[in-house]
Order: sequence, then C-alpha cells, then structure tokens
Amino acid sequence: GAVVSQHPSWVICKSGTSVKIECRSLDFQATTMFWYRQFPKQSLMLMATSNEGSKATYEQGVEKDKFLINHASLTLSTLTVTSAHPEDSSFYICSATGLAGYNEQFFGPGTRLTVL
Amino acid sequence: DAKTTQPTSMDCAEGRAANLPCNHSTISGNEYVYWYRQIHSQGPQYIIHGLKNNETNEMASLIITEDRKSSTLILPHATLRDTAVYYCIVRVDPVISGYSTLTFGKGTMLLVSP
Repeated sequence: GAVVSQHPSWVICKSGTSVKIECRSLDFQATTMFWYRQFPKQSLMLMATSNEGSKATYEQGVEKDKFLINHASLTLSTLTVTSAHPEDSSFYICSATGLAGYNEQFFGPGTRLTVL
Repeated sequence: DAKTTQPTSMDCAEGRAANLPCNHSTISGNEYVYWYRQIHSQGPQYIIHGLKNNETNEMASLIITEDRKSSTLILPHATLRDTAVYYCIVRVDPVISGYSTLTFGKGTMLLVSP
C-alpha cells in the first residue's frame, strides 16, 4: 500500500519556540493532505485540509496563524506550530489521499510534540 | 456523515475470532462503512470498507446487515498485535463526493490476551 512518512517522530521544545513537522507521501502523489491532532486518551481531531498549491482549510477552532500549513508539492506538506505552548503538546498525525481512484486515506506514523 | 456507536472496549483471547460491532442507524444510501485501527502511539491503519455487500480481505471481514443500520468487523484469528483501537466510520465515497474527510469517534479498544 501507499506509504506516508513524518519527520520528526518526536520533538521536545521550549515554550515560545516554533516547530516544523514534515509529512511526505513516499510512493504516490498526494493531492490532498490532512493534519490531525490527538490528545492522550482521546480520538483524532481534524485540524486542517490542504490541497497542493492552495491555502489550507482549517477546522473551526483551529488558529490558522498558529498552525501554519504548507503543501508546496504533491509529496510534501508541512505543519509549523508557531510560538508553541505546553497546551500544544500532543500527537500530530498527517494523512494523504491521492489522485482519483483512491478512496482511503493513508496515515503517517505521527509526531509526538512535547512543549516544556 | 452519519454517526456511529461502538462499545468502549472488548476483550478477545488470542487465536479466537474478534467480532467488533458498530451501529450506524442513520446511514444514508450513498454512505460507505469504513474501518480503521490505531495501535498505541501510531497512525491509524485502513482495514476495510463496504457499501452493502459483505467484504473480505487479508486483514478482516466486514458484515453489513441487510438494512445497513449496523455492521460487524471480524478478525478471524486475533493475535496480540491486533490489540488496538478500532474505529468504525461512515462517509460518502470520496471518489463520488470529491472530498475525503474522515471523522473519528471514540472507537473500540480491543485487548487481545494470551
């Protein structure tokens, strides 16, 4: 099946700094990528949807100026958490869907962010 | 997309079949039933999906009732590595609708024991 990678797998940063997380589709072209957040013992919550070459669409309650999403190519999307605070500590997961014919999302392994 | 209801947790002995139920009584005619699972601290993994016919693949079988208001995911011979949270999701086929959003509920925590 299609493979999606994320980097880094975990990151620890100080409060107030910015952190970038990369999501790559390794063997297919991802026209749409999704970013989810998952707090401990909770389900995945969709943060935003991004299509290659256009601005991301954010879910209600997600601050677009805090969670910057760039989908510059068909194989790479990045999520930058700006001015991170301890409450941003979470498990961030991306997924990707390809060209017409794919009807399931392929998920990355996730990135564990801890803000001190 | 229609709402789903799943038990919070289930136990299964290793080697036995695991039958995970899902209720989706408000499902629409053009909505599919999808199953994903999430092993601890990993991203979700696609398992199977179906519209109205029963489906089987190398991972599992999906049984959908005739009225489509409920379904059961069957892992025929559960192993310890099948311990995970299993999510039942109902959505319109993105190939038809043009979008592919998944809405995750709380899922069922399946614990497979030796």
